[in-house]
Amino acid sequence: KNEVEQSPQNLTAQEGEFITINCSYSVGISALHWLQQHPGGGIVSLFMLSSGKKKHGRLIATINIQEKHSSLHITASHPRDSAVYICAVERGSATNKLIFGTGTLLAVQP
Amino acid sequence: DAGITQSPRHKVTETGTPVTLRCHQTENHRYMYWYRQDPGHGLRLIHYSYGVKDTDKGEVSDGYSVSRSKTEDFLLTLESATSSQTSVYFCAISEYGGGNYGYTFGSGTRLTVV
Repeated sequence: KNEVEQSPQNLTAQEGEFITINCSYSVGISALHWLQQHPGGGIVSLFMLSSGKKKHGRLIATINIQEKHSSLHITASHPRDSAVYICAVERGSATNKLIFGTGTLLAVQP
Repeated sequence: DAGITQSPRHKVTETGTPVTLRCHQTENHRYMYWYRQDPGHGLRLIHYSYGVKDTDKGEVSDGYSVSRSKTEDFLLTLESATSSQTSVYFCAISEYGGGNYGYTFGSGTRLTVV
């Protein structure tokens, strides 16, 4: 079993819909990251969370440390949001290494 | 991101040849990482560095070596490339160890071993 699990693996939405991507992890962490990768593109950091909730534009990320679960929400989705969204956790060791989920492929149709 | 550059962006090489990928940063960050990305897998750590000449293995280090002679450069070498090393390679940098500091990723190097 992977230490970081994302769901769904694939998601298709219509423009304007509210989208939720989930991430569950089975290890103790010091922080959780949400990343975005457009097809053929590089990886961009969206959020880093250790507790609570963060918001940036139409993106909202939440984390529940007790339940070992995080969600990424996209409000008023747009075709330009189509990308792979990746959850990654830090174990809190001195070396700051990340453990990655396999990603959620989101397609937003106009 | 202008603070981290990977080269080359694309490379095709033959089985058995050595290959070196370069990661260059202008952020003066202490930590540098090499990951590979393959379909069906999350990014997997190959090697990382926590300072000049200080490196350690990640989970998929077999067949790879690294060097860091300067803060800004982290080199990944495939000693004798194999088809299983066909992948997209990402470099990342981070300022501090111990969590709660962000990462910056390079744009990736797509390596094909034929």
